[in-house]
Amino acid sequence: ILNVEQSPQSLHVQEGDSTNFTCSFPSSNFYALHWYRWETAKSPEALFVMTLNGDEKKKGRISATLNTKEGYSYLYIKGSQPEDSATYLCAPEGKLIFGQGTELSVKP
Amino acid sequence: DVKVTQSSRYLVKRTGEKVFLECVQDMDHENMFWYRQDPGLGLRLIYFSYDVKMKEKGDIPEGYSVSREKKERFSLILESASTNQTSMYLCASSGDGLAGVNEQFFGPGTRLTVL
Repeated sequence: ILNVEQSPQSLHVQEGDSTNFTCSFPSSNFYALHWYRWETAKSPEALFVMTLNGDEKKKGRISATLNTKEGYSYLYIKGSQPEDSATYLCAPEGKLIFGQGTELSVKP
Repeated sequence: DVKVTQSSRYLVKRTGEKVFLECVQDMDHENMFWYRQDPGLGLRLIYFSYDVKMKEKGDIPEGYSVSREKKERFSLILESASTNQTSMYLCASSGDGLAGVNEQFFGPGTRLTVL
């Protein structure tokens, strides 16, 4: 079974703090990596799809980087806001396996 | 916008009951998926389907079956519900191509409690 690990499992930050978390995956046979955001009482929604080593994607205050050689991706949130509170999931493309998620809580 | 709907947001059933969870998508997607989400375990794939009447087992198919009679509808069946099937169930769909290659669009989830 492909191992997809996310860390930390949960994170509590104050509004305005910047934060980051990690998704690690086996680097062999890599195609792409998806990041999803799952807010409470809503459906998970796609944030980014990352394909190339060194890729960096950005959406507002959220950005992500990808290292396919060492098998990890970082998600960064600059100046966290309460509306960023959600569980962030990563999934290597084609594997139908998700990481266990990082649950982010941003306190006002 | 892709819309994936699930028949119930909350469901309470008794041990031994047969349970049907329905999922409908309106974007003519070929691939549909059923996951369950448990604290600390993330999303785990139960079954997926890449075409009408076609199905593939995921990581945790035991105790479940599925049905895909029409392209837009994918049903998850618990033949005899047990307490360890208490969980959040998520349905998803994705477009043309190998299952898992394209972005998945998720339904709102069904929180099932088995007493």
